[in-house]
Order: sequence, then structure tokens, then C-alpha cells
Amino acid sequence: AQTVTQSQPEMSVQEAETVTLSCTYDTSESDYYLFWYKQPPSRQMILVIRQEAYKQQNATENRFSVNFQKAAKSFSLKISDSQLGDAAMYFCAYRRSKNTGNQFYFGTGTSLTVIP
Amino acid sequence: DTGVSQDPRHKITKRGQNVTFRCDPISEHNRLYWYRQTLGQGPEFLTYFQNEAQLEKSRLLSDRFSAERPKGSFSTLEIQRTEQGDSAMYLCASSLQGTVYEQYFGPGTRLTVT
Repeated sequence: AQTVTQSQPEMSVQEAETVTLSCTYDTSESDYYLFWYKQPPSRQMILVIRQEAYKQQNATENRFSVNFQKAAKSFSLKISDSQLGDAAMYFCAYRRSKNTGNQFYFGTGTSLTVIP
Repeated sequence: DTGVSQDPRHKITKRGQNVTFRCDPISEHNRLYWYRQTLGQGPEFLTYFQNEAQLEKSRLLSDRFSAERPKGSFSTLEIQRTEQGDSAMYLCASSLQGTVYEQYFGPGTRLTVT
């Protein structure tokens, strides 16, 4: 079974600084998708960024970027110019390729605090 | 497009009672998922529908759990004879067939079994 590991239960960052959240995963497949979701307190999860495993280029969405290391099975999230609104739980998620199951496998999350 | 909605948002019940939750997906999404999230954990997959067909079920979905999606629109998740271990956030998500990307999540139903 696929497993997703987030080894940092909590992280903090000064406003306007940069922070990196770690994620590793275990799979024997070569085709899959990776995601970072954000879950603000008492609010629903929203997608931050996604990465297709067949793409070598790291995904970027405004202040959010990933460092995807396929051989190392690592998928870290970098948040630049951190803002107070970035404070939330961040979940790394894995999805198998479109021709196999549809479920997501989530890590245990990293709670990010942004210090004004 | 009002997003994925779930009802109720909170439910407190006594052990042994039955509860039912409802999820309304984004209108054009034909795929619907149920997850369970306990404190300090990420969401865990329970079951998945494509239109009205239930295509995948996790072993977490014991015999006391049943999910339906009549007519391929809203879905219900019922838990019979609730146990304290059922206390969790129950999340619903939807997606559109043909896209391999994100699932859109609802706000969840928080269940407390006393």
C-alpha cells in the first residue's frame, strides 16, 4: 500500500520569510500524482499545488513551489514570502495513475504557524 | 458553482444510535469520495462513487457503514450502532471524470459519539 510521510508535525515561519515543508512517499509505481492541500482552521481543504510524476519540471503556483525528487520519493513544498493567511494544516497527498484507483493517500499533516 | 456542501456540520449522538450524513457535490462532478479524518491524522479513504455506482470501498468501511448515491447526485453515509471510535470528521470530495487532478473537498461533518 502507498504511504505518505510528513515528518514535521509543526513548523513556524516569520511573516515574509520562506519555509519548506517535507513529504516523502512510498510506491512501486512509476506513474502517479502528488498534491499539497491546505486546511485552514475550521475551513475546508483546498488544493495548493499538484505535480505529475512524469514531469521533470517542478510545479510552481505563485508563492508556492515544490521540489520533486522522484528517485528519492520526496515532494517538499516551499512557501515564499509567507503571509498570515498561509497559517494552516498542510497535507501531502498521493494519487495513483488515472488507470488504477482514484483514492488519495494523505500524510498526517504539518501545522504551519506564521509569526507576524 | 457553490462547491461541495455537507450536512450537518456537527452531529452529537449517543453510542448505539444511527446517524446519516449528506454530501452534495459540485453539480457537474460525477465522482464522489468519502474520507474520515481523526484528530492529528490526514484524511483516510472510505469509499468512492462514479455516478451512482460504488466502485471502491476501504476495509475501514465496516458492516455498520453504508453509503449510497442515488441517481448519481448527492450521497449519504450512514453509520449504524455508532461507537465512540466513530468520532471523527467525515469529509466528502468530488471530482470530474476525465480529469486526473484534484478532488474538491467539502467542509466536513464532525461526529461526536458520547
